[in-house]
Amino acid sequence: QQQVKQSPQSLIVQKGGISIINCAYENTAFDYFPWYQQFPGKGPALLIAIRPDVSEKKEGRFTISFNKSAKQFSLHIMDSQPGDSATYFCAFTGRNTDKLIFGTGTRLQVFP
Amino acid sequence: GAGVSQTPSNKVTEKGKYVELRCDPISGHTALYWYRQSLGQGPEFLIYFQGTGAADDSGLPNDRFFAVRPEGSVSTLKIQRTERGDSAVYLCASSKQGTLNTEAFFGQGTRLTVV
Repeated sequence: QQQVKQSPQSLIVQKGGISIINCAYENTAFDYFPWYQQFPGKGPALLIAIRPDVSEKKEGRFTISFNKSAKQFSLHIMDSQPGDSATYFCAFTGRNTDKLIFGTGTRLQVFP
Repeated sequence: GAGVSQTPSNKVTEKGKYVELRCDPISGHTALYWYRQSLGQGPEFLIYFQGTGAADDSGLPNDRFFAVRPEGSVSTLKIQRTERGDSAVYLCASSKQGTLNTEAFFGQGTRLTVV
């Protein structure tokens, strides 16, 4: 029951570069779009989130861009650092549900 | 506690055995979620509690899986007649209230291996 497609599956970026991860969803009833960051052996942790009534949200080096008409949202990591190396998951919830549906994940590696 | 605590951190069991996985949510969090994460995959929703009741159990794969939260705090995920395909990391999360845009805090998970 794949409802969100996340790409790329893996990403290698040099330190200082921009990392871009994309998600496309199918159901227009989704209402909350968080991004989670997961390090090996740890649970996912909320990184940044957006609602569909805004097209962009920035927190430090992390930016979410949201394209409601295309049903896509993306995570941009500016000035990528080796400490950003982790797996990133997009997720969403619907209007009448509290359960998070996760994408398949993107493994990011940032090399010095 | 400071965060969501899950025990045990690792569990190895034989096929056919019964296992219980425990989750201690953040104090005061009324919503509690169980997810399952297979290697290289995103977390897969299993069940969600609001207080003591299961508000949504649509993700439980079959009747071998059951979860309880009798006092609205600690929750136990129970798996009967375990199968090798049940091997995964089981994640628990909690949030202040089961409403939209409320951050869910995850524990470190229990790695279950069925041999």
